[in-house]
Amino acid sequence: EMQLLESGGGLVQPGGSLRLSCAASGFTFSSYAMSWVRQAPGKGLEWVSAISDSGGSTYYADSVKGRFTISRDNSKNTLYLQMNSLRAEDTAVYYCAKRSQYSSSWYTDYWGQGTLVTVSS
Amino acid sequence: QSVLTQPPSASGTPGQRVTISCSGSSSNIGSNTVNWYQQLPGTAPKLLIYSDNQRPSGVPDRFSGSKSGTSASLAISGLQSEDEADYYCAAWDDTLFGGGTKLTVL
Repeated sequence: EMQLLESGGGLVQPGGSLRLSCAASGFTFSSYAMSWVRQAPGKGLEWVSAISDSGGSTYYADSVKGRFTISRDNSKNTLYLQMNSLRAEDTAVYYCAKRSQYSSSWYTDYWGQGTLVTVSS
Repeated sequence: QSVLTQPPSASGTPGQRVTISCSGSSSNIGSNTVNWYQQLPGTAPKLLIYSDNQRPSGVPDRFSGSKSGTSASLAISGLQSEDEADYYCAAWDDTLFGGGTKLTVL
């Protein structure tokens, strides 16, 4: 059974750092691109970052570029999101998500349960 | 404010057919495929439709997607109480999401 298990969320002060992890199982992790998507309390979904299957290509939303870093360790079947210079507006549930491709388009075919990040003093 | 525009709410009675729209522009929906996600209360999103009108295995055929020009639609036929959820459209390889539509089953 496919599983994505996020961890590392919590309460952090503005300007602080946090690293999220996502442990994948039930599929060949190294064969799939992955992404992080967040959802602020009571709000909609916002794409944060994506990474290719090899980790050689990374992509970021403008709102986090220069502050967040996505990475992966295929030997550990784990996806990471290093978040620095955190702001109140980064408060959200962060979802780890598996990406798949159909023709030349991508979609998200599996989501983890999410981990809550709260940025507050 | 999302670049992809969805109605904030929609409703229907059991058995009814409802549609949820997603409006964009030539630079997003007009030139990319659209995916749809369902988010039941308190849970993670789930893929409903990909590449405009493809349904993943396990998704009932009551759910269908279509696209015309710069707009896309999700149709739900034979509405059931368990369909009450938030629905999101997405484009540009899921880097753009609509604001979401809360579907209420009356």
